[in-house]
Amino acid sequence: DAKTTQPPSMDCAEGRAANLPCNHSTISGNEYVYWYRQIHSQGPQYIIHGLKNNETNEMASLIITEDRKSSTLILPHATLRDTAVYYCIVRIGSNYKLTFGKGTLLTVNP
Amino acid sequence: GAVVSQHPSWVICKSGTSVKIECRSLDFQATTMFWYRQFPKQSLMLMATSNEGSKATYEQGVEKDKFLINHASLTLSTLTVTSAHPEDSSFYICSARDPSGGGTGELFFGEGSRLTVL
Repeated sequence: DAKTTQPPSMDCAEGRAANLPCNHSTISGNEYVYWYRQIHSQGPQYIIHGLKNNETNEMASLIITEDRKSSTLILPHATLRDTAVYYCIVRIGSNYKLTFGKGTLLTVNP
Repeated sequence: GAVVSQHPSWVICKSGTSVKIECRSLDFQATTMFWYRQFPKQSLMLMATSNEGSKATYEQGVEKDKFLINHASLTLSTLTVTSAHPEDSSFYICSARDPSGGGTGELFFGEGSRLTVL
């Protein structure tokens, strides 16, 4: 699976949009971009995934660049409960062995 | 979404004893489950892939005789840490794929089990 690069930490004000970037310049054509988050002392939680089109669900939006070498996870209205480590993972859809990097610690401030 | 449950959520044991952690898929059948370990302030590390009805596949560097995995049914996988030592103290997390999610379905994770070996 392709390697990803994320900033180690970010801050966001409560109520504002949180934009979390991820670089995956070596992504191959059959690899998907997945986002998970882990709130302290809990198991990871699936957020969203996509191949090349932008995706939106009740939790977040995923924007993938046209060349697919980077993506951005958008939490439209961050709350204090969104404080967590966010992991960007790329993988072939049929491979369920996830390789977690260090992720981005998002801290939402009041 | 699909639910994966782990038990116990935390356990304290004496050095040299064995500890069993259960991972259950509550509303779907999982032919494959995954076990991860996470040390403080570090990321998750995949330990092994648990396959229903067959032997688990272990990642390089993970001792299969120390971390026994049994996946006897489509909804239950167990991880037994044998002869636990303080260095085995960690947060153990399982995950399972919901097959109804299709070919690119997401993985669902348990709440994690925190093991402390004294």
